[in-house]
Amino acid sequence: QLVESGGGLIQPGGSLRLSCVASGFTVNSVYMGWVRQAPGRGLEWVSVLYVGDRTSYTDSVRGRFTVSRDNSKNTLYLQMNSLSAEDTAVYFCARDGGLRGKIGAFDVWGQGTLVTVSS
Amino acid sequence: DIQMTQSPSTLSASIGDRVTITCRASQSVSTWLAWYQQKPGKAPKLLIYKASSLESGVPSRFSGSGSGTEFTLTIDVMQPDDFATYYCQQYSNSWTFGQGTKVEIK
Repeated sequence: QLVESGGGLIQPGGSLRLSCVASGFTVNSVYMGWVRQAPGRGLEWVSVLYVGDRTSYTDSVRGRFTVSRDNSKNTLYLQMNSLSAEDTAVYFCARDGGLRGKIGAFDVWGQGTLVTVSS
Repeated sequence: DIQMTQSPSTLSASIGDRVTITCRASQSVSTWLAWYQQKPGKAPKLLIYKASSLESGVPSRFSGSGSGTEFTLTIDVMQPDDFATYYCQQYSNSWTFGQGTKVEIK
């Protein structure tokens, strides 16, 4: 299970940190990803944290967003800086299915947390 | 970057219909393709991975096929619970989703 938190209303240029607490597995044993969905729009992959701490980002957030994890808290984070209206979306964390032979496919998702960037 | 294009964007279907959704990749993704179902206000749900492997617990009326650049998701006999939006996703080179196909009631 994955439970996100940390969303809310933030002014343009501001920062926000999202959290995703995992249960039933350890976040350092699989790839973990963030996917967002702007209001009324489709899914957009945002970032992935690999098992060996390598990270990957979509072009529009690279340099502004940072994905990390705290193994002691079994929690994934997404630090978001220099936010703009285009970042307004529901942010989902998701587990890669690699442990179960489904590497690359996200097989467990959180419920999502809404980030609204507006003045 | 690999682009994923789904067709159609919207599809009207009746209970019992056979429905097919197509997903095309801008370059080969081999069989590194997944399909998801999403209902309003909910998280996506994995249906198919590795292009044709059915996720555990997903009804067998769902099936996926294809390789390279062209893929299909088929729902054999539409059920009331299947009206939703469907997304393909490649994971051959980073991750990319298609724009979605909304399946509506005719």
